[in-house]
Amino acid sequence: NAGVTQTPKFRVLKTGQSMTLLCAQDMNHEYMYWYRQDPGMGLRLIHYSVGEGTTAKGEVPDGYNVSRLKKQNFLLGLESAAPSQTSVYFCASSYWDRSEAFFGQGTRLTVV
Amino acid sequence: ELKVEQNPLFLSMQEGKNYTIYCNYSTTSDRLYWYRQDPGKSLESLFVLLSNGAVKQEGRLMASLDTKARLSTLHITAAVHDLSATYFCAVDSTGTASKLTFGTGTRLQVTL
Repeated sequence: NAGVTQTPKFRVLKTGQSMTLLCAQDMNHEYMYWYRQDPGMGLRLIHYSVGEGTTAKGEVPDGYNVSRLKKQNFLLGLESAAPSQTSVYFCASSYWDRSEAFFGQGTRLTVV
Repeated sequence: ELKVEQNPLFLSMQEGKNYTIYCNYSTTSDRLYWYRQDPGKSLESLFVLLSNGAVKQEGRLMASLDTKARLSTLHITAAVHDLSATYFCAVDSTGTASKLTFGTGTRLQVTL
């Protein structure tokens, strides 16, 4: 069982560059989420999706865009990276009944 | 806006001792989650608490939920070194979709 898979695991960007983080889940979950984790701040929700073709803003959406063209994939885009976006990004997915969320292994992103 | 507070933020305890981590949240919610995170790793689901008075136990960990007091506790009994990790509580703020709001985490260090 792959569960939730994030690509890439590490990335270094220069300020102003763009990139896309990919999240794939094989559990047929309806809900998918992107979080960022910063030291001393826990995890904060960036964007989420309740189903294919839908997206919504979370707590800290500025500077990010998302898309969910297929049920199993949730993409997080940074159009113009800033040093403040240096963080560890986690993707998660869950069933509609909110039983529990499963997390990917994380992507460590550094913007210089 | 839902706020989730954990205390303590850092806990150093000796093997064999008992201790409790507290999780307070600011608005009504009907479910609460506990996760464990090892350094550099993803989040592992420990407990899902679904109703007032819910109590769940797994090994040396026991979690409880008091929705009236908006409080959850994670009790550690006779700690062992393997329990060293960061523990997060997360509260589900319902609306159009499940959105987890995380506490800042409690870093637990169990010493010999």
